[in-house]
Amino acid sequence: DIQMTQSPSSLSASVGDRVTITCRASQRISNSLNWYQQKPGKAPKLLMYVASSLQSGVPSRFSGSGSGTDFTLTISSLQPEDFATYYCQQSYSTPYTFGQGTKLEIK
Amino acid sequence: EVQLLESGGDLVQPGGSLRLSCAASGFTLSTYAMTWVRQAPGKGLEWVTAITGSTTTTYYADSVKGRFTISRDSSKNTLYLQMNSLRAEDTAVYYCAKNVAAGTYDSWGPGTLVTVSS
Repeated sequence: DIQMTQSPSSLSASVGDRVTITCRASQRISNSLNWYQQKPGKAPKLLMYVASSLQSGVPSRFSGSGSGTDFTLTISSLQPEDFATYYCQQSYSTPYTFGQGTKLEIK
Repeated sequence: EVQLLESGGDLVQPGGSLRLSCAASGFTLSTYAMTWVRQAPGKGLEWVTAITGSTTTTYYADSVKGRFTISRDSSKNTLYLQMNSLRAEDTAVYYCAKNVAAGTYDSWGPGTLVTVSS
């Protein structure tokens, strides 16, 4: 199975900050990488797919990059509604594994 | 509007069985691959099983292989997850999700809680 490792596991930031979350795959996965946002008690929401494509309806302050084994999710200017947990997930091969999550908290 | 609604979660004893349902609306379920993802209390997301749209091929995580079965009823536009030989470690919120592409989920239900405990 492909292991996905996110860093950091938690992050404190302020409204307006630029934030970057990193995801590393245990083997090359081309650009088969998705990012999800999850708020407490809610289902995950797709933000980015194939590493850098923005899902419809997602604000343009979110961006993704990377290929192979190393990927990043960047939020250019944090808004209050962005404080949540973020998961990367590989869609290269089954089982389609998720990272352990990055909890983004208000400083 | 695409909507998914899970049901069937409950408290069940170890070794017991449960069937989860995921009612779909706003799209024809049989034309899309569908997936179950679970989340243990306070933990991260775990991919569980998937069924393809056209060929009805199924895939399972090793942790549930041989115990869980994914299926669908096209006439009811509903996805199912039959769970047998349940263990304490199966305790989780179970989400169904619609695939926009292999391994990529653009719509999710609100989830249903399964608790395995004596």
